[in-house]
Formats: sequence, structure tokens, C-alpha cells
Amino acid sequence: DTGVSQNPRHKITKRGQNVTFRCDPISEHNRLYWYRQTLGQGPEFLTYFQNEAQLEKSRLLSDRFSAERPKGSFSTLEIQRTEQGDSAMYLCASQGLVNYGYTFGSGTRLTVV
Amino acid sequence: GQSLEQPSEVTAVEGAIVQINCTYQTSGFYGLSWYQQHDGGAPTFLSYNALDGLEETGRFSSFLSRSDSYGYLLLQELQMKDSASYFCAAAFYGQNFVFGPGTRLSVLP
Repeated sequence: DTGVSQNPRHKITKRGQNVTFRCDPISEHNRLYWYRQTLGQGPEFLTYFQNEAQLEKSRLLSDRFSAERPKGSFSTLEIQRTEQGDSAMYLCASQGLVNYGYTFGSGTRLTVV
Repeated sequence: GQSLEQPSEVTAVEGAIVQINCTYQTSGFYGLSWYQQHDGGAPTFLSYNALDGLEETGRFSSFLSRSDSYGYLLLQELQMKDSASYFCAAAFYGQNFVFGPGTRLSVLP
């Protein structure tokens, strides 16, 4: 068990470009979550998967955002046509037992210039 | 939607005890978690309360009172390494954990 792994750790992109982040959860965890966090704020929920099914998406998630978890293992989060307001830390978390804590990855820090 | 409130900052000295409070909206609530986050790091799970009362884990304890829509995290024997942001996160039926805005704890020598 190596914990939750996220790649890349940092991403700088120009406005209008597309970016994709990857998350590898703890292998026996069937729930996977994406959150976004800006400086000085708490994490904001974006979306979550139970196995390969995407069960909920936040209203924060515009049409430019899409997430997949094709085989119920790793997940990707893609942002199309990035905007400066997308600059944030994107956190992935996995959860084994419902109602117990999340295990977060180290996050991907996105900077849109 | 659901929201949580917690103080923005707390300062204490090494060896002291500090309590970080969290209030939440009651509709659909079923549990409260606490996370620690050091600058530049990921949130780390500390505790989860589904029932009223105190849960103790070493120097950290967490309390929940459903009747008061209130919980707190108690940190004892403060150490410099406890300086971090602390988030309460509430679970609501049919939704995922909603995080509070965070409390920045500064431990002074």
C-alpha cells in the first residue's frame, strides 16, 4: 500500500490549453473523490466514483471538466480550455469504508498563466 | 447547501490545550470528521464522530453534540509540529463530505 498517488505534482499551463491529471488510489478502496482547494480555503467537492461509476458531480464542475475511472482503478481529471480561475490545488482522495476518513494524495497544483 | 463554520485562527503556546470548534447545518447530517493540513501538504484524516460524545486518539480528541449541531477538536500537550490548518468535514445523507473553511493553528514556543 503506497497511499494515493497523484501526477503531476505541479502543472503550469497557458490559458486555453487542456490539462489532464491522474490519480492512483489505494488499491482496495472502491471510492475515489476529486476535490479542489484554493489558498486559505477548505477543499471543495468536484466529483466522486464508486468503482467505475461516476455517482455525483458538483455544480462547480463546468462542462470544461471531465473525469473518468475506466476500470475502477486509476482516475483522470481533464480540464479543457483552462482559465485563470482554474488555478488551484486538485486533490484526489480514496475511501474504503463508507463514513470513514479519506486518504488524500499530495495533489496537483495547477497554475494557469 | 450545507455549510460549516469554524474560527479562522487560533494561537496557543507549547504544552497548552486548545479547542477548535465547528458548527454545521443539521439537515441530513450524519457524521463529522477532522483533518490536519500542513502548509504545502495534503489533508490528513484525524478522526470521525458518528455518535454523540468524545473520541480520544492520543493527544487529539474529537467531540460531537448532535443536539447542538456542534463539534470540536481538542489538542492537548501542544507541540510546535501541531502548527497547521485544521478542517472539520461533515457527512450529509446522499452527499459527500463538505469541508469547513479551516482553522489555522499557530503554536508558539
